[in-house]
Amino acid sequence: KAGVTQTPRYLIKTRGQQVTLSCSPISGHRSVSWYQQTPGQGLQFLFEYFSETQRNKGNFPGRFSGRQFSNSRSEMNVSTLELGDSALYLCASSSEGIQETQYFGPGTRLLVL
Amino acid sequence: AQSVTQLDSQVPVFEEAPVELRCNYSSSVSVYLFWYVQYPNQGLQLLLKYLSGSTLVKGINGFEAEFNKSQTSFHLRKPSVHISDTAEYFCASMTYGGSQGNLIFGKGTKLSVKP
Repeated sequence: KAGVTQTPRYLIKTRGQQVTLSCSPISGHRSVSWYQQTPGQGLQFLFEYFSETQRNKGNFPGRFSGRQFSNSRSEMNVSTLELGDSALYLCASSSEGIQETQYFGPGTRLLVL
Repeated sequence: AQSVTQLDSQVPVFEEAPVELRCNYSSSVSVYLFWYVQYPNQGLQLLLKYLSGSTLVKGINGFEAEFNKSQTSFHLRKPSVHISDTAEYFCASMTYGGSQGNLIFGKGTKLSVKP
């Protein structure tokens, strides 16, 4: 069974631009969660989607948004990029939710210049 | 407010020695607790989790953790570590019930196993 895939793997953007990251979960998984990892702030939870609905949410500004499609694939969008948005963005999938065993993708490394 | 504190940022230990990575959480409501591991240049992996029931939780790779409600702790232990256990370990808590939950991570503990 294929694992969680994230595209693109690396991305360079400039301040003020917007970016969309994609995550394809393991087949059959309905929950997709997104995380931001930086050296300064560590690991932070962004949000979780389950069956196309946002079910849980972290403490990020509204510039960070997401959605999930009927095939469980998820996208995360960051508008008006700031330098501090440079990070590794991780996606994880599970069958029923965060409380279940999550499987993480390799991440998308975003650099904002 | 919900928070997770990992008391040691780095833990050096010799191979085959026991290890304990400490984690304290604070929350005014019920929580789920997790330990994740991130091996060098690899993604995150769930080690173990506490949802309810027995306070001693066993995970992968010989790790276990004990939920202590009175001390609000969830320390991770392994009786004998291997070189391959060298990694960064993250403790996390998630509230449940009521409004939308938030998964909070600790700052991480880097475990360095030396031969």
